[in-house]
Amino acid sequence: DVKVTQSSRYLVKRTGEKVFLECVQDMDHENMFWYRQDPGLGLRLIYFSYDVKMKEKGDIPEGYSVSREKKERFSLILESASTNQTSMYLCASSRTQETQYFGPGTRLLVL
Amino acid sequence: GESVGLHLPTLSVQEGDNSIINCAYSNSASDYFIWYKQESGKGPQFIIDIRSNMDKRQGQRVTVLLNKTVKHLSLQIAATQPGDSAVYFCAEIKTYKYIFGTGTRLKVLA
Repeated sequence: DVKVTQSSRYLVKRTGEKVFLECVQDMDHENMFWYRQDPGLGLRLIYFSYDVKMKEKGDIPEGYSVSREKKERFSLILESASTNQTSMYLCASSRTQETQYFGPGTRLLVL
Repeated sequence: GESVGLHLPTLSVQEGDNSIINCAYSNSASDYFIWYKQESGKGPQFIIDIRSNMDKRQGQRVTVLLNKTVKHLSLQIAATQPGDSAVYFCAEIKTYKYIFGTGTRLKVLA
């Protein structure tokens, strides 16, 4: 079975803090994705990566950066957290043009 | 423009009945379609997928139907159980781009 894990289920941070969200997959998938999910807005793509050290902006990259130093790990960084970044963050991985498998999500609250 | 949408935001079904969740898509060039189930507070869980060259695919208690003529995708759940209560959403893949629907909430009534 595909397993995608995220480092935290819940996080509470203060405005201005730097936040790191980690994602690891164990299926040797080339592609990894970060989304945020908000009520009524569905999934919105922040960044994705098709290979190690490669990254592409998604639909809402502002305020975020990513790092993919190893194939199995994709990190999302909030350089200076703001209250409008309070959300559910979901990581996913896939083979090229195949089903994305999601992690359990990280619910982030920025105070 | 491109869209993957759902006809009904909430579907209530009696336990034991069959459920049908629908999804309309506008991009006829999509290669691949996926259904996900998302329980409250959890990440989306893969249910079943279907390629564009197929009309039907069956899994355990679930069937996905693809009607390319009217650009319609449906998920049928047989003998709906309380554990099926969740938000279901469809997704399509077209040339490396994934498009997700916003979801339908399925409520199973005892």
